[in-house]
Amino acid sequence: DSGVTQTPKHLITATGQRVTLRCSPRSGDLSVYWYQQSLDQGLQFLIQYYNGEERAKGNILERFSAQQFPDLHSELNLSSLELGDSALYFCASSAFKNTEAFFGQGTRLTVV
Amino acid sequence: TQLLEQSPQFLSIQEGENLTVYCNSSSVFSSLQWYRQEPGEGPVLLVTVVTGGEVKKLKRLTFQFGDARKDSSLHITAAQPGDTGLYLCASGGSNYKLTFGKGTLLTVNP
Repeated sequence: DSGVTQTPKHLITATGQRVTLRCSPRSGDLSVYWYQQSLDQGLQFLIQYYNGEERAKGNILERFSAQQFPDLHSELNLSSLELGDSALYFCASSAFKNTEAFFGQGTRLTVV
Repeated sequence: TQLLEQSPQFLSIQEGENLTVYCNSSSVFSSLQWYRQEPGEGPVLLVTVVTGGEVKKLKRLTFQFGDARKDSSLHITAAQPGDTGLYLCASGGSNYKLTFGKGTLLTVNP
């Protein structure tokens, strides 16, 4: 158990819909990372927050947004979903920037 | 953005064999991490290497960091079926981004 909790574990939704993925980091960790993993693209960095502030952005689509709340949990919002958004979405946390990251079990999103 | 290239992409071996997988970059790593991921699970951190030339051992796994800190290798001795998984290297630069390579998918057959 990494100490990082992601909910829900599975999500099936229709194209055009909006979903919210939730992540609770390990106790005391200030950094939260979001990644998308698909078979052909590997683990793609989306966005990172440190102590409530956005600090790094990867190839995150404009339809996607995230935030980190004062209690340090984070949410990833995906809107106007397309079939190609189907993937595993991982959240990870670390104590500081670029230190060892601990991953949650992921949310498997299926867009039908 | 620092790009990490991992090789080989796929590796299938028999139980008891030795293997080495590689992680390379054109840029200098500030530090490098190795993770293992099993199907449907999140990556799990194996080790972090920081100093050029550093060697770390974790049971049958030996991790080496190149002297110039641009490359790293993972050597597994006497592989077992339980070693099967996706091996990922990752590095962060001066920014907050933690970038992963595409990984080496290892299958160890009994």
